Amino acid sequence: ETGVTQTPRHLVMGMTNKKSLKCEQHLGHNAMYWYKQSAKKPLELMFVYNFKEQTENNSVPSRFSPECPNSSHLFLHLHTLQPEDSALYLCASSQSANTEAFFGQGTRLTVV
Amino acid sequence: DAKTTQPTSMDCAEGRAANLPCNHSTISGNEYVYWYRQIHSQGPQYIIHGLKNNETNEMASLIITEDRKSSTLILPHATLRDTAVYYCIVNSGGSNYKLTFGKGTLLTVNP
Repeated sequence: ETGVTQTPRHLVMGMTNKKSLKCEQHLGHNAMYWYKQSAKKPLELMFVYNFKEQTENNSVPSRFSPECPNSSHLFLHLHTLQPEDSALYLCASSQSANTEAFFGQGTRLTVV
Repeated sequence: DAKTTQPTSMDCAEGRAANLPCNHSTISGNEYVYWYRQIHSQGPQYIIHGLKNNETNEMASLIITEDRKSSTLILPHATLRDTAVYYCIVNSGGSNYKLTFGKGTLLTVNP
C-alpha cells in the first residue's frame, strides 16, 4: 500500500464506450501524474498536474482527457479508444520534484 | 534531464549482493539520481535517491561516484522477491516534477 489508490484495477471496454479511471491520494502531495505502460515498452508519461493545474501534456491523443478537481483526486476520462490503447495505466503523486513519487497499482485496460 | 544507461538484464544468486550499475555521464549539478523498481504487473516502487553522497536505507544502498557520472544500487542480500525491473532516473527537479523512465535492468534473483 503506497497511499495512492487507483480504481478500477481492471477494465474492459468497447471502442465506443466512455469510461473513467480514478486516482486518489491522501498524502498531501502537490503533483500528480498519469503514465501509460504498454507491453514491452517503457513507462510513458502522459500528463502532469501541479497544484491542480495541468503542466504537461505529452502529446497525448484527445481521446484521453484528464481531470484534476482537487489536489487529492485525478481522473482519466476515456472515449472512443482503440485496441492499441490497451495498457497498464499508472497514477503517481509526489510532494515535490526532489522527493520520491508514489505509484498506484495501476488499471489494466483492455479495449475490444 | 540527463539520460541514463543501464544493462538490459542481470542475474544474481539468492542471498548474495546485487549490484546494479547506471551511467549518467551528462548529469548536471542540480540533478538527483533516483532508483525505482517494478515487479511484474505492479506499479513502480521507490527505492532510494541521492545527490552527491552515498545513501542507505532499509531497502538498499546507493553509491554515487565522485564525478557523479555513474552510480550503483546495491541490494545487500537479494531475495527471490527482489526480481524486478530496476530503473535509474535522473531528475532535475524542475517545475514539471516529472520522472522519465527508461528501459531499466531486469534483475532475476535465482534460487
